[in-house]
Amino acid sequence: KQEVTQIPAALSVPEGENLVLNCSFTDSAIYNLQWFRQDPGKGLTSLLLIQSSQREQTSGRLNASLDKSSGRSTLYIAASQPGDSATYLCAEMGVDTDKLIFGTGTRLQVFP
Amino acid sequence: AAGVIQSPRHLIKEKRETATLKCYPIPRHDTVYWYQQGPGQDPQFLISFYEKMQSDKGSIPDRFSAQQFSDYHSELNMSSLELGDSALYFCASSQIGLVGGEQYFGPGTRLTVT
Repeated sequence: KQEVTQIPAALSVPEGENLVLNCSFTDSAIYNLQWFRQDPGKGLTSLLLIQSSQREQTSGRLNASLDKSSGRSTLYIAASQPGDSATYLCAEMGVDTDKLIFGTGTRLQVFP
Repeated sequence: AAGVIQSPRHLIKEKRETATLKCYPIPRHDTVYWYQQGPGQDPQFLISFYEKMQSDKGSIPDRFSAQQFSDYHSELNMSSLELGDSALYFCASSQIGLVGGEQYFGPGTRLTVT
């Protein structure tokens, strides 16, 4: 059974810090990996998608990397802001399936 | 830009009742996915449809069924509801072959079973 784990489970930082969120997956045949943001009780907003052939993707202050050989992805958030406070989920899709397998998320709080 | 539409947004049912959740994918998307997120848990894949045919199946109870219609919208039918079915149900859509299968999620339907 494929598993996705995220550490840390929770993170509280002051505004302005640069952050790294970690995601580990056991699937050796990954097709792509997506990072999502979820506000409490709300839907999932896709942040970045990395194909298995890519090493990283960038969008604004966000940068996601993928290392298939070690089964890891990181989400880097530069110059964090209070509005970044949310739960961040990574999810991987294998090559022989449609489904996304989600990690348990990192709950981020950025305080002023 | 158009997003995935789900209805209703909130639903309250009693045990043993039935519920129908609807999903309208982004225009030109041909694949629909259903996920269930219990309180404090990560989303779990239920079922997916590509071009109106079931394409993958996850941990979906036998009490649940789903289909995709000719206009690509999908419905998740849930019968004999149990308290444990209370969750946020997400629908996602994608266009196979475009952008490597990125899934776009709807806002979810919050189902409460009392």
